[in-house]
Amino acid sequence: RKEVEQDPGPFNVPEGATVAFNCTYSNSASQSFFWYRQDCRKEPKLLMSVYSSGNEDGRFTAQLNRASQYISLLIRDSKLSDSATYLCVVNSHTDKLIFGTGTRLQVFP
Amino acid sequence: NAGVTQTPKFRILKIGQSMTLQCTQDMNHNYMYWYRQDPGMGLKLIYYSVGAGITDKGEVPNGYNVSRSTTEDFPLRLELAAPSQTSVYFCASSGVDEQFFGPGTRLTVL
Repeated sequence: RKEVEQDPGPFNVPEGATVAFNCTYSNSASQSFFWYRQDCRKEPKLLMSVYSSGNEDGRFTAQLNRASQYISLLIRDSKLSDSATYLCVVNSHTDKLIFGTGTRLQVFP
Repeated sequence: NAGVTQTPKFRILKIGQSMTLQCTQDMNHNYMYWYRQDPGMGLKLIYYSVGAGITDKGEVPNGYNVSRSTTEDFPLRLELAAPSQTSVYFCASSGVDEQFFGPGTRLTVL
């Protein structure tokens, strides 16, 4: 089983839609969770950290479910500029970050 | 603050050539990392460093070497380039939590 698994997509959604991504992780001892955004041919950038209590930043909400070992990202009122690849990131047993392969989102007019 | 800078942006190498990818950060971070990203794939950790003078292997270190003589610089060396090393290379640094990435180096080995 991969340490971090994501549905590669693509998710094609119209502007204004709500879209959700899930990511599962295998290390039950992981303590740090993040969502990064990567635009085409660019470097990854931190979108948000994921806390046990959840985290909301404007239209973006991240949740952690430790029992089922998954994290989620919800994007409300999608914009064209949200089109990107979203990387799920979890710290490993050696405390290094493990990056998922990413979920591609395409928002269309 | 320039953040993390990488040079060159692009490079084409012939099989067997060598080169050094440069990485510099101005955030005084102790942790630095080198990743490679193949098309449609996730980031794979090549080497990392927890401070000047200390380096360690990541998931895919074969064919690469690193050094960390200063806090700011973390160069990645390819000694005998192979087509399998065609990839995009990202350098990153971190303090407590978030990793900041450089813009990447696109390397093609022919």
